Amino acid sequence: AQSVAQPEDQVNVAEGNPLTVKCTYSVSGNPYLFWYVQYPNRGLQFLLKYITGDNLVKGSYGFEAEFNKSQTSFHLKKPSALVSDSALYFCAVRVPISSGSARQLTFGSGTQLTVLP
Amino acid sequence: NAGVTQTPKFQVLKTGQSMTLQCAQDMNHNSMYWYRQDPGMGLRLIYYSASEGTTDKGEVPNGYNVSRLNKREFSLRLESAAPSQTSVYFCASSVGPRGSTDTQYFGPGTRLTVL
Repeated sequence: AQSVAQPEDQVNVAEGNPLTVKCTYSVSGNPYLFWYVQYPNRGLQFLLKYITGDNLVKGSYGFEAEFNKSQTSFHLKKPSALVSDSALYFCAVRVPISSGSARQLTFGSGTQLTVLP
Repeated sequence: NAGVTQTPKFQVLKTGQSMTLQCAQDMNHNSMYWYRQDPGMGLRLIYYSASEGTTDKGEVPNGYNVSRLNKREFSLRLESAAPSQTSVYFCASSVGPRGSTDTQYFGPGTRLTVL
């Protein structure tokens, strides 16, 4: 079974400071890892994904994430936070399946990021 | 290109009532999904459809049924609503079984309250 943990329910950071939102995972096999963002009263928006290759993945809105296989982590980062980055962030994982079945994502419980002006 | 659309946006039901949540996508995706989102629990998969004509149970299917009406549309039905089904429901779609990485794209959600 695959699982994802986001150890922090809430992260506060000052505008202009770097931010990190943590994610660890547990899967058997090579994981596909995703970050999504949810703004109030909206659906989830895709930010970035790691499939294979370079451990540092760059995504939308200046976000990036670093895949660390030895620590089974996929932390989301941004060098300089904006107030508009305040939102709920979800990490998700799935294992590639060779059959014709849909690829099921397992989501973490979410981390509320608040960027303070 | 509207992406994934859901109707209604909001709904209030009484215990025992039935309703159908509608979802449509215009991205020519093969796979579609229904999730529910509850505070502190992330998103949990209710049902999914790998391709037109197929549906499968997810993590929390009890109390729900689905219909993959055609390639574009995937509906979720609550036959006899219960207060435990109060939640926000999201539909999503992805390229499908032959998509190499299969990123899922989400609709705006339906906020359901069962009294």
